[in-house]
Amino acid sequence: GENVEQHPSTLSVQEGDSAVIKCTYSDSASNYFPWYKQELGKRPQLIIDIRSNVGEKKDQRIAVTLNKTAKHFSLHITETQPEDSAVYFCAASKGRSGGSYIPTFGRGTSLIVHP
Amino acid sequence: KAGVTQTPRYLIKTRGQQVTLSCSPISGHRSVSWYQQTPGQGLQFLFEYFSETQRNKGNFPGRFSGRQFSNSRSEMNVSTLELGDSALYLCASSLSRQETQYFGPGTRLLVL
Repeated sequence: GENVEQHPSTLSVQEGDSAVIKCTYSDSASNYFPWYKQELGKRPQLIIDIRSNVGEKKDQRIAVTLNKTAKHFSLHITETQPEDSAVYFCAASKGRSGGSYIPTFGRGTSLIVHP
Repeated sequence: KAGVTQTPRYLIKTRGQQVTLSCSPISGHRSVSWYQQTPGQGLQFLFEYFSETQRNKGNFPGRFSGRQFSNSRSEMNVSTLELGDSALYLCASSLSRQETQYFGPGTRLLVL
């Protein structure tokens, strides 16, 4: 089955710095990669996603890049703010390909933004 | 549209008891998946229901079961509770089986 590795497990940055979280996946058939943000005591919220026919996607301060050849994808947050502090999860699935679309999640990255 | 809702939000049970958790998906969403979230194991997939049928099952013992009703609402049941079942149980709904999942707030279960 699919295996998703996520690094680092903890990331501490100063407000205004950039943050990068990296994930690798094992199944080359995976074609959909969502990212979720989970604040303390709250539900995971989808913040951005990317499909395998796209190499990069951006939404304001958040961007995701995908390298299908290397089977890795990354979340980039620029100009970090204290409210970005949360646990971020990456996931990989075979959505819309006819295979199992159940996502496999990474272990999560705890991002701490210091004011 | 209202988001995914789960009830109850908190539960305290003792070992050996059973528990039933409920999930109401976003209106129009027909697929419901359940996950167990613990600090050590992250998000672990339990099962997925679509059109009242279990379509996928994760690697959990038979004590964990679920069902889906004709209105897409879903329940999961855990029998003979163990201390290790203490976790946040999240359900997620999606429009179809191949679309993005949206999570509910979860039910936090504590087994004493």
